[in-house]
Amino acid sequence: GEDVEQSLFLSVREGDSSVINCTYTDSSSTYLYWYKQEPGAGLQLLTYIFSNMDMKQDQRLTVLLNKKDKHLSLRIADTQTGDSAIYFCAESSGSARQLTFGSGTQLTVLP
Amino acid sequence: DAGVIQSPRHEVTEMGQEVTLRCKPISGHNSLFWYRQTMMRGLELLIYFNNNVPIDDSGMPEDRFSAKMPNASFSTLKIQPSEPRDSAVYFCASLGDRGLTGELFFGEGSRLTVL
Repeated sequence: GEDVEQSLFLSVREGDSSVINCTYTDSSSTYLYWYKQEPGAGLQLLTYIFSNMDMKQDQRLTVLLNKKDKHLSLRIADTQTGDSAIYFCAESSGSARQLTFGSGTQLTVLP
Repeated sequence: DAGVIQSPRHEVTEMGQEVTLRCKPISGHNSLFWYRQTMMRGLELLIYFNNNVPIDDSGMPEDRFSAKMPNASFSTLKIQPSEPRDSAVYFCASLGDRGLTGELFFGEGSRLTVL
């Protein structure tokens, strides 16, 4: 079945850029997503990219998609302490209303 | 909009007891999902409903788990009997037809501890 993989932990200093990486196996993925989970809360959609795009920018967030390598990344510029959270990569194949989530990357922002 | 509402937020129970978790999806959303989150297994889809009908329950761990959606505004996830390995955070999420596929709206979760 489909698989989505992420590294478990990332630490950065406040003000630096964070890059969270994700790889997936489903070549028919239509949309790829980044969700953010703050402590004690549910997941919240942060941004998404359609599979025919290779980059999407939204304020401090940049999503890069390498469809050939099935690699997705999320770059957070000028990382703040409020960005500390778990970030989940997810993919869907469009027709299915189900997402396949990665294990999540715990981002810790150090002062 | 109040968002997806789950109850209880926290539940502590003893092994063997019945547990019922509740979810009210966002009004107008016609798909509802139950997920389980643990440190060991991450986020797992248990079951999802479309227009109140269960579409895929292949993620339900075993017969001790059951889920219902009697109407468009309410769903339950029941565990009977509960076991310590069921301890997890259970999330409900909903999705509307007009929304982007995959734009799930999650509740805040129900943290279950089975002693």
